[in-house]
Amino acid sequence: AQTVTQSQPEMSVQEAETVTLSCTYDTSENNYYLFWYKQPPSRQMILVIRQEAYKQQNATENRFSVNFQKAAKSFSLKISDSQLGDTAMYFCALTAKGTYKYIFGTGTRLKVLA
Amino acid sequence: NAGVTQTPKFQVLKTGQSMTLQCAQDMNHNSMYWYRQDPGMGLRLIYYSASEGTTDKGEVPNGYNVSRLNKREFSLRLESAAPSQTSVYFCASRGLAGVTSSYNEQFFGPGTRLTVL
Repeated sequence: AQTVTQSQPEMSVQEAETVTLSCTYDTSENNYYLFWYKQPPSRQMILVIRQEAYKQQNATENRFSVNFQKAAKSFSLKISDSQLGDTAMYFCALTAKGTYKYIFGTGTRLKVLA
Repeated sequence: NAGVTQTPKFQVLKTGQSMTLQCAQDMNHNSMYWYRQDPGMGLRLIYYSASEGTTDKGEVPNGYNVSRLNKREFSLRLESAAPSQTSVYFCASRGLAGVTSSYNEQFFGPGTRLTVL
């Protein structure tokens, strides 16, 4: 069975600072995809960043980057230069290649303080 | 493109009433999904449809039925609503890996907040 664990229910960070959200997962698959989704108060789920397991290079999208440690089954999200608009729930998700099901973590509520 | 649309956005039901949540996507995606989101539990898969004409149970299917009406539309029905079904419901879709989305990304609708009294 696949699992995704986000051990930080809530976090806060000062505007312009850097914050890291943790995600660990478990899967017996060798080829899979990992995602971070953002859910602002509007409730809309927005893809932040994605990583293919066979790629060793960590994905980056502007201020967002990941630290993907395949052997440790860890997939953390780093937000640099935090902005008030980054305040949201963040979900880590996993899907194995060739399958249809996605497993989501329980989320981390991030608050960016002015 | 509207992406993934859901109706209604809000709904209040009494215990025992029935209703259908509608979902449509205009991205020509093959796979469609229904999730429920509850506080502290993340998103849990109710049902999914890998392609037109097929549906499969997810993690929490009890009390729900689905219909993949055509490639665009995937509806979720509550036959006899219960207070335990109070939740936010999300529809999502995904294209074919390597064709429309090589990273298997899901696209989400705006959600439906359902309250069952």
